[in-house]
Amino acid sequence: GAVVSQHPSRVICKSGTSVKIECRSLDFQATTMFWYRQFPKQSLMLMATSNEGSKATYEQGVEKDKFLINHASLTLSTLTVTSAHPEDSSFYICSAWNTRGGYEQYFGPGTRLTVT
Amino acid sequence: GENVEQHPSTLSVQEGDSAVIKCTYSDSASNYFPWYKQELGKRPQLIIDIRSNVGEKKDQRIAVTLNKTAKHFSLHITETQPEDSAVYFCAASIGNMLTFGGGTRLMVKP
Repeated sequence: GAVVSQHPSRVICKSGTSVKIECRSLDFQATTMFWYRQFPKQSLMLMATSNEGSKATYEQGVEKDKFLINHASLTLSTLTVTSAHPEDSSFYICSAWNTRGGYEQYFGPGTRLTVT
Repeated sequence: GENVEQHPSTLSVQEGDSAVIKCTYSDSASNYFPWYKQELGKRPQLIIDIRSNVGEKKDQRIAVTLNKTAKHFSLHITETQPEDSAVYFCAASIGNMLTFGGGTRLMVKP
């Protein structure tokens, strides 16, 4: 149990275009999902907290108008990178926190975004 | 907010030796401390965790210790094997918010 999927696993897009990444909890409900960004040889940095039915909470320095987050259901959160630039190229990972509580977060497999 | 420091950033050991990775955290309200193993291009994989009401936890070759007073916790891997080579991250959690350490690249030489 506690499986989180992400789609796509890899995406290459041209500078100026937008890319949508989906994060799904497959066998549990998640009122809260998290979006992280990981640059090569660095740690996971929290970008935003996504709450079902409400606006996302963004970490300091993360542009909310550039990284649009939608959490329309208890099993799906989406991250849209708008007007992507090469510096947005990174590994994006989501995680989900089980509504039934507990401490563990369950991570998706990640999405490798390359902006050319 | 919470700040987690992790040392060392790289660690090279001989197969069969032990490896120790240490982390400190700043917020005494943190109450959950997971450790993750991440292989290149993959998701972080939870390998062991400890809650603030426990001082030590062991699972086969892996153990974690927690000193709440000093606000530090450590990962111990015994009898290391080449397949233990990966990047390891500690994290500290307040509620459901995780803050990660900077990571340790562990290399186990056969």
